[in-house]
Amino acid sequence: QVQLVESGGGLVKPGGSLRLSCAASGFTFSDYYMSWIRQAPGKGLEWVSYISSSGSTIYYADSVKGRFTISRDNAKNSLYLQMNSLRAEDTAVYYCARGSSGWLPDWGQGTLVTVSS
Amino acid sequence: DIVMTQTPLSSPVTLGQPASISCRSSQSLVHSDGNTYLSWLQQRPGQPPRLLIYKISNRFSGVPDRFSGSGAGTDFTLKISRVEAEDVGVYYCMQATQFPWTFGQGTKVEIK
Repeated sequence: QVQLVESGGGLVKPGGSLRLSCAASGFTFSDYYMSWIRQAPGKGLEWVSYISSSGSTIYYADSVKGRFTISRDNAKNSLYLQMNSLRAEDTAVYYCARGSSGWLPDWGQGTLVTVSS
Repeated sequence: DIVMTQTPLSSPVTLGQPASISCRSSQSLVHSDGNTYLSWLQQRPGQPPRLLIYKISNRFSGVPDRFSGSGAGTDFTLKISRVEAEDVGVYYCMQATQFPWTFGQGTKVEIK
């Protein structure tokens, strides 16, 4: 069955960087687009970024554009999110999700990123 | 950006009774390919979101048939025919018709 396991979260100071990873298994990773979605503590869901199956098409939310970079390694069945210039408002649980034709059928358990001095 | 507005934000329901959540988008969610990419997700306490409904009314694999979705254009509804204890959580609508994808604020379903 589909498994998505995020890692790389933690405590980082404002202005710092962090790289999140999402290890995928149970499906042909290279066939599916992927997304990152985040959820600030006690808040709702916010879409962060999208990457097509080949990696050739990428979109970002305005709130992270220019600071975050999504990428994937289809040979390693892995999705990444490089987060630079982190701010307090980036504090959230970050979920990776598998996409399918306009919806997100599978989600990981999430990894918590805390930006604080 | 497309704004998704859910009502109500909180829904206390008696076990066995129906519940209904409305989701309105600020513009039509009909994609140029003719599909409407409106989905509903459930998030139980302490859990990641889980897909319930996609393309307005299609139940995802394993979702009980007491959940149903309807609507068109800019107005959509999620209905639970008879609420069970395991349905407690927050429900989100989400549009993937246009980037940036956007979510509703969430509707908390709790037992009265």
